[in-house]
Amino acid sequence: GAGVSQSPSNKVTEKGKDVELRCDPISGHTALYWYRQSLGQGLEFLIYFQGNSAPDKSGLPSDRFSAERTGGSVSTLTIQRTQQEDSAVYLCASSPDYNSYNEQFFGPGTRLTVL
Amino acid sequence: KNEVEQSPQNLTAQEGEFITINCSYSVGISALHWLQQHPGGGIVSLFMLSSGKKKHGRLIATINIQEKHSSLHITASHPRDSAVYICAVEGSQGNLIFGKGTKLSVKP
Repeated sequence: GAGVSQSPSNKVTEKGKDVELRCDPISGHTALYWYRQSLGQGLEFLIYFQGNSAPDKSGLPSDRFSAERTGGSVSTLTIQRTQQEDSAVYLCASSPDYNSYNEQFFGPGTRLTVL
Repeated sequence: KNEVEQSPQNLTAQEGEFITINCSYSVGISALHWLQQHPGGGIVSLFMLSSGKKKHGRLIATINIQEKHSSLHITASHPRDSAVYICAVEGSQGNLIFGKGTKLSVKP
């Protein structure tokens, strides 16, 4: 079946612009996670959803970052007034539910470049 | 100190060699994941384990909960195994806390 998909695959934007990144999880997966990987850095957790709610927003780097999920499916990560340090690959993953012991399935990522 | 430490950071091996990548963590966990990231960036989940040992093909993962340590072994390594291997532990909400990764290069 279809895996996790993300769009766009690449996004180049100018500093100060807003961007929206989209994640389509595997059908039926209730848990959805956003991570990012900055150049030369490891992966870091941003936010997770159980259904439509996001109990843990502690990983969002600043109030310019927000995420929503509607209908328990598609999620969008929005970055307002982008800065150069926001340049990274943004990865989405989904799993059947938010409990432990569930494998997370990763999307291909969106490479964001802020000029 | 990072919550998840991996060693080595970089590893070069000859084809056929037995490879071990280590992961130590300092937090309580419910599960530990080994991920593989190929050049090009795609991430694949290799193993998820909470105790003991798992084997898949030439890959073996072990975990010692008491010692807070896990190892990933690759037997009969091959150039196509070249990738970054990432250890990640599950936080309380199911989110992953990642190690910095081990870059493996297997030479023919």
